Amino acid sequence: EDKVVQSPLSLVVHEGDTVTLNCSYEVTNFRSLLWYKQEKKAPTFLFMLTSSGIEKKSGRLSSILDKKELFSILNITATQTGDSAVYLCAVKNSGYALNFGKGTSLLVTP
Amino acid sequence: NAGVTQTPKFQVLKTGQSMTLQCAQDMNHNSMYWYRQDPGMGLRLIYYSASEGTTDKGEVPNGYNVSRLNKREFSLRLESAAPSQTSVYFCASSPDDRYSYNEQFFGPGTRLTVL
Repeated sequence: EDKVVQSPLSLVVHEGDTVTLNCSYEVTNFRSLLWYKQEKKAPTFLFMLTSSGIEKKSGRLSSILDKKELFSILNITATQTGDSAVYLCAVKNSGYALNFGKGTSLLVTP
Repeated sequence: NAGVTQTPKFQVLKTGQSMTLQCAQDMNHNSMYWYRQDPGMGLRLIYYSASEGTTDKGEVPNGYNVSRLNKREFSLRLESAAPSQTSVYFCASSPDDRYSYNEQFFGPGTRLTVL
């Protein structure tokens, strides 16, 4: 059975801190790993990773995949209160659906 | 370009009542999905439709039915609602097939409470 595990489940940091969110997976026929940000409503897409060792960056957010050790990390530098959200990791195998982890709830305090 | 839209936004039902959640996308996507999100459980797939005219069960299909009315619309029906179906329901769509590397785009969700 495919499994996606995120850690930590929740995190509280101060503005300006750097955070690292973790996602490990066990999936047959791995195709891609995706990160989403969810603030109250619909998950919004952040990154898709398909190859090991290639960092994806968008502003203060970056992510990398390790297909040998079966994990990904999402880094957020110089956090802001607007980064407060649930961050979801999902893995796609050779089927259609995404297999989601339970999410990491991040709270950034002023 | 509205993306993925869902109606209603909120709904309260009594046990045993039926209702249909509507979803539409205007991105000409082939695949559409219904997920439910419960506290501490992440998103779990209920049903999906790989293309117009096809539907398949996901991880938690019991108590639900779906219809892919056309390429744009994918509805989720609860025939006899139960309190265990209290959840937030998300519809999603993606451009193409199982071998693609495209992300899924999510609608704003429907918060359903069954009393």
